[in-house]
Amino acid sequence: AQSVTQLGSHVSVSEGALVLLRCNYSSSVPPYLFWYVQYPNQGLQLLLKYTSAATLVKGINGFEAEFKKSETSFHLTKPSAHMSDAAEYFCAVSDVGGTSYGKLTFGQGTILTVHP
Amino acid sequence: GAGVSQSPSNKVTEKGKDVELRCDPISGHTALYWYRQSLGQGLEFLIYFQGNSAPDKSGLPSDRFSAERTGGSVSTLTIQRTQQEDSAVYLCASSLGEATQYFGPGTRLTVL
Repeated sequence: AQSVTQLGSHVSVSEGALVLLRCNYSSSVPPYLFWYVQYPNQGLQLLLKYTSAATLVKGINGFEAEFKKSETSFHLTKPSAHMSDAAEYFCAVSDVGGTSYGKLTFGQGTILTVHP
Repeated sequence: GAGVSQSPSNKVTEKGKDVELRCDPISGHTALYWYRQSLGQGLEFLIYFQGNSAPDKSGLPSDRFSAERTGGSVSTLTIQRTQQEDSAVYLCASSLGEATQYFGPGTRLTVL
């Protein structure tokens, strides 16, 4: 069984400040990990993914995440927040190659607010 | 190229009515997933199709929910005798094999 915990349902930062969104996972097989972003009234857009290659993954819009197996974490960061980063962010785990056919298990989401 | 499309974008129905939600995956994608997003439950997996294999229906919440995928492409999610707790955004995603899933914009279902 897989699970994802996102610490903090709401995160608020100032424009230009560091963004840190936390994600911890549980998986019985080597995981694939994803971060998706959702803007109001839109679907999910892939930010970045970890698929067992480099542990530091760079994504779109200046975001990156680091896979830490010892901490079962996959935290999302961005050095300098922009107003356009305000959205809801979802961390997800997939057991590609396991028995769940790659279906995603999502965290509860973190709403990021960026203040001017 | 074209992404995943879903129709309708919004659907308002009365309790007890049946509804059909449509998903057009990215051309050539062999895998198709349905998820539901609701305030109380977050994002939940509903059903998965892969090629001609039997679908994984393990996430369907009740036997009022069913889905089919015709010709390995378009999929329809049907909810019979809708209940107010079915109100949610229904998201479809497709992928090539079991790789990255690309999501459609969703269908917002409101059951009155």
